[in-house]
Amino acid sequence: GQSLEQPSEVTAVEGAIVQINCTYQTSGFYGLSWYQQHDGGAPTFLSYNALDGLEETGRFSSFLSRSDSYGYLLLQELQMKDSASYFCAVSSASKIIFGSGTRLSIRP
Amino acid sequence: DAGVIQSPRHEVTEMGQEVTLRCKPISGHNSLFWYRQTMMRGLELLIYFNNNVPIDDSGMPEDRFSAKMPNASFSTLKIQPSEPRDSAVYFCASSYKSTGDYEQYFGPGTRLTVT
Repeated sequence: GQSLEQPSEVTAVEGAIVQINCTYQTSGFYGLSWYQQHDGGAPTFLSYNALDGLEETGRFSSFLSRSDSYGYLLLQELQMKDSASYFCAVSSASKIIFGSGTRLSIRP
Repeated sequence: DAGVIQSPRHEVTEMGQEVTLRCKPISGHNSLFWYRQTMMRGLELLIYFNNNVPIDDSGMPEDRFSAKMPNASFSTLKIQPSEPRDSAVYFCASSYKSTGDYEQYFGPGTRLTVT
């Protein structure tokens, strides 16, 4: 079957850096993606990793290690507007499965 | 493009009533997904269409749930009869399969309350 694990909550300070980890189990792995969801809103796509390594998009970066079945989302220069839930999602030949989400709270 | 459109945005109904949720995907996208989100169960994939054909409906909770996609620009999710435990936010998402279904565009969701 497929499963993902990510922390339920993370707290960080404005301007700091935070890393949200995700471990997964799946067969026929294609890639790992990350989504952001603000309270009351819809998930929005952030990034996708199919190959090992780091992908950078502005203040956000995403990392994948296929051999370790592990990835993370790195958020730099945190802003209050980054307070949201972040979901990792694993894509396989058959479907995409979302993790349970990590709620990121940012303190001034 | 207007993005994925869902209607209604909010629905309040009584137990036993039929509920129909509607979705218009982004023009040109050929994959469509229905999700349900609750605090307890998170974001669950209910059903996935590709080129209007249901590919995976293993997430549909039971026979009370049904989904159709009669053409590339419209899909419905129907619950009949509805129960209080169906209360959730239902999202529709679309993507372009040839670039990978990992980049999905979500609609604003329908918040369903069954009393």
